[in-house]
Amino acid sequence: GESVGLHLPTLSVQEGDNSIINCAYSNSASDYFIWYKQESGKGPQFIIDIRSNMDKRQGQRVTVLLNKTVKHLSLQIAATQPGDSAVYFCAERATGNQFYFGTGTSLTVIP
Amino acid sequence: GAVVSQHPSRVICKSGTSVKIECRSLDFQATTMFWYRQFPKQSLMLMATSNEGSKATYEQGVEKDKFLINHASLTLSTLTVTSAHPEDSSFYICSAPAGNEKLFFGSGTQLSVL
Repeated sequence: GESVGLHLPTLSVQEGDNSIINCAYSNSASDYFIWYKQESGKGPQFIIDIRSNMDKRQGQRVTVLLNKTVKHLSLQIAATQPGDSAVYFCAERATGNQFYFGTGTSLTVIP
Repeated sequence: GAVVSQHPSRVICKSGTSVKIECRSLDFQATTMFWYRQFPKQSLMLMATSNEGSKATYEQGVEKDKFLINHASLTLSTLTVTSAHPEDSSFYICSAPAGNEKLFFGSGTQLSVL
């Protein structure tokens, strides 16, 4: 399902600190997940993905954790920078190959 | 990563007119494309799945006669908002899976209906 109509939660972090953004997904049959970053007026930008047979994946400065038991994803950003300020969404791939998006979190990095 | 091009980026139209938005996969073929709608400070809502050579699949509550989708080739899908009204004003974004996995997005179209 989708989280439509809900306004974005916000997260403020100090530059250099680590950020943790959380996402709850709805379908236990979803097999693939993606984190996106969206800046104002632009389309979502791919950050990192993870398959359902994994519980952790690391990229450059980012780590995604997947907990299938509670249907929860998190995105960890190390040494957060001002350029990381954006809205972050998780997306789950349903059995019909459609991707549904979570509510999103607005991240603000304080210099 | 793969490139998805969306055009136009912004359109302003009068109520009652129709608007066409194009979505192209530039460096890969896409048998499937997805159209999303996004209101300010909200998440992306999946409207429909565009299937090359066949009819689009619409999500529940999305009017197929209002939002016409055509996927005539492996690199192009179009969304036409017919008889647009102010409540149709929104940010429309297309996407396509590259290699049947990672979903890449266009830059979006901001539609304003006066």
